[in-house]
Amino acid sequence: GAVVSQHPSRVICKSGTSVKIECRSLDFQATTMFWYRQFPKQSLMLMATSNEGSKATYEQGVEKDKFLINHASLTLSTLTVTSAHPEDSSFYICSGSRGRISSYEQYFGPGTRLTVT
Amino acid sequence: GNSVTQMEGPVTLSEEAFLTINCTYTATGYPSLFWYVQYPGEGLQLLLKATKADDKGSNKGFEATYRKETTSFHLEKGSVQVSDSAVYFCALHAYSGAGSYQLTFGKGTKLSVIP
Repeated sequence: GAVVSQHPSRVICKSGTSVKIECRSLDFQATTMFWYRQFPKQSLMLMATSNEGSKATYEQGVEKDKFLINHASLTLSTLTVTSAHPEDSSFYICSGSRGRISSYEQYFGPGTRLTVT
Repeated sequence: GNSVTQMEGPVTLSEEAFLTINCTYTATGYPSLFWYVQYPGEGLQLLLKATKADDKGSNKGFEATYRKETTSFHLEKGSVQVSDSAVYFCALHAYSGAGSYQLTFGKGTKLSVIP
């Protein structure tokens, strides 16, 4: 149990376009979902935390107008990278938690590799 | 702020060798500690955890002991298998300010086990 999927697994887009990444909890209700970004040979950096039906809470330095997060249901969260640029190329990972923000029991998706050309 | 430092890889071992991956941390308050494993093409999976000092987390032959005095949580396995080849992340869960808690990860250590 506690499986999280992400779609797409890989995406290539042109500079200036927007791309949407979906994160789904397949067999549990994710009250809280988290979005991370991982650079090569670096640790996962938390971008934002969202509770179903509420606005996301962004970490310092993350542009909320560039990285739009929607958590409209207990099984789906989306991350939209708007007006993407090559520096947005990265590995994006989502996770879901049954609990509220303070819960550490997170279940991770397999990640989405974004390449902006 | 909170941080996790783990040994850099890659680590290459022969099958049945002993594994140690070092992990130390700094944290506000009293963190919970974790090891996650990421197999190729898959998401991070919780391998083991410890929530208080001197606790030993264990799973699939892997062990790690929460050492508060040395702020460490080293991962060990007595005899690795080819199927253990993966990237291992040490992490902590602690108060991060502004009323929130979050997971803080190390950079990951890639382990390759050769037959």
